[in-house]
Amino acid sequence: EVQLLESGGGLVQPGGSLRLSCAASGFTFSSYVMNWVRQAPGKGLEWVSAISGNGGYTYYADSVKGRFTISRDNSKNTLYLQMNSLRAEDTAVFYCAKRPGTFYALDIWGRGTMVTVSS
Amino acid sequence: DIQMTQSPSFLSAFVGDRVIITCRASQGISPHLAWYQQKPGKVPNLLIYAASTLQSGVPSRFSGSGSGTEFTLTISSLQPEDFATYYCQQLNSYPYTFGQGTKLEIK
Repeated sequence: EVQLLESGGGLVQPGGSLRLSCAASGFTFSSYVMNWVRQAPGKGLEWVSAISGNGGYTYYADSVKGRFTISRDNSKNTLYLQMNSLRAEDTAVFYCAKRPGTFYALDIWGRGTMVTVSS
Repeated sequence: DIQMTQSPSFLSAFVGDRVIITCRASQGISPHLAWYQQKPGKVPNLLIYAASTLQSGVPSRFSGSGSGTEFTLTISSLQPEDFATYYCQQLNSYPYTFGQGTKLEIK
């Protein structure tokens, strides 16, 4: 079964850092573009970042560029999101999501991990 | 960046109704448009990709159409389980962007 499981969320103070992880199983992880998408409480979906299968290409939303870093360890089937200089407006559920190789969409999503930025 | 605008933001309808949700892109994105359904407290679920291709397992009452900058999601006969929030997303170029969502409620 194809599965994504996020972890690493929690409460952090403004200006702090947090690293999210997404453990993948049931598919050849290194073959797929992986994404992070977030959703603030009561709000819509916001695409955050993506990384190519070999990790050589990364992409970011303007709202997180320079503060967040996406990476992956294909030997561990794990995706990461390093979040620095966190702000209150970064409070959200963060989902990792897989983009299939044959079409452009996000077909598999994890359950999400909650990040709360507050003093 | 490509902006995605959905309309309406809220929609109230009866079971059995036919509903149409529109998504407009600020520039051409064909065919890289996807639709998702999200129920409260749940993970988004892919309904349609490439503007009009139904994802495996999605009921045939859902359909998508459009090209260029204008796209639609149609539900031919609303079922009770269809009341949810729907999002479009462009995957033509980074940053991938979502529409603001359409909340579909029972009338």
